Amino acid sequence: EAQVTQNPRYLITVTGKKLTVTCSQNMNHEYMSWYRQDPGLGLRQIYYSMNVEVTDKGDVPEGYKVSRKEKRNFPLILESPSPNQTSLYFCATLGRGERTDTQYFGPGTRLTVL
Amino acid sequence: GENVEQHPSTLSVQEGDSAVIKCTYSDSASNYFPWYKQELGKGPQLIIDIRSNVGEKKDQRIAVTLNKTAKHFSLHITETQPEDSAVYFCAARGGSYIPTFGRGTSLIVHP
Repeated sequence: EAQVTQNPRYLITVTGKKLTVTCSQNMNHEYMSWYRQDPGLGLRQIYYSMNVEVTDKGDVPEGYKVSRKEKRNFPLILESPSPNQTSLYFCATLGRGERTDTQYFGPGTRLTVL
Repeated sequence: GENVEQHPSTLSVQEGDSAVIKCTYSDSASNYFPWYKQELGKGPQLIIDIRSNVGEKKDQRIAVTLNKTAKHFSLHITETQPEDSAVYFCAARGGSYIPTFGRGTSLIVHP
């Protein structure tokens, strides 16, 4: 079954405490990305990766880091979280060469920074 | 870059009525327009898409139309049911992998 998994699903932390949200996919997709979803603002892209060791900034990259050391994993790192990073985060992959260019989203990670 | 506007932000209908969500895009090079449905507590899921060489596409109760000249596309849901209640996102994509999403429409179907 095509799957994008994220961990943790829920996280409450304090300002400045480094955290990592993991993302893993089993579809061998080259393209992966991270979004944050905030009320009234929709889905905004944080970072994306076209392939292993290739990453680039999206629309709202400030305060985030990513790495792509292997194809299946694309962790999102918050070195020093702040309350304005409280949000719902989604990892997504993109299948190419299929009938539809479908993005597959993970189930989301609800992050609260106090 | 691409800019996608989506309206309305909230749509409330009675069960059995039709619902229409509209999006406009700015980049004439965009050629792929997917629609995603996000149910409560879940990630968005593709429900239908259309490419720029097609004007309309239907899949049971949902349909999408595209007007390239006017740069707008719409999602139509007929005979709405309570399980259609969700947040719907439109998106537009051009030559790159990277789609631009609208801000979402919260559809509420009242039984």
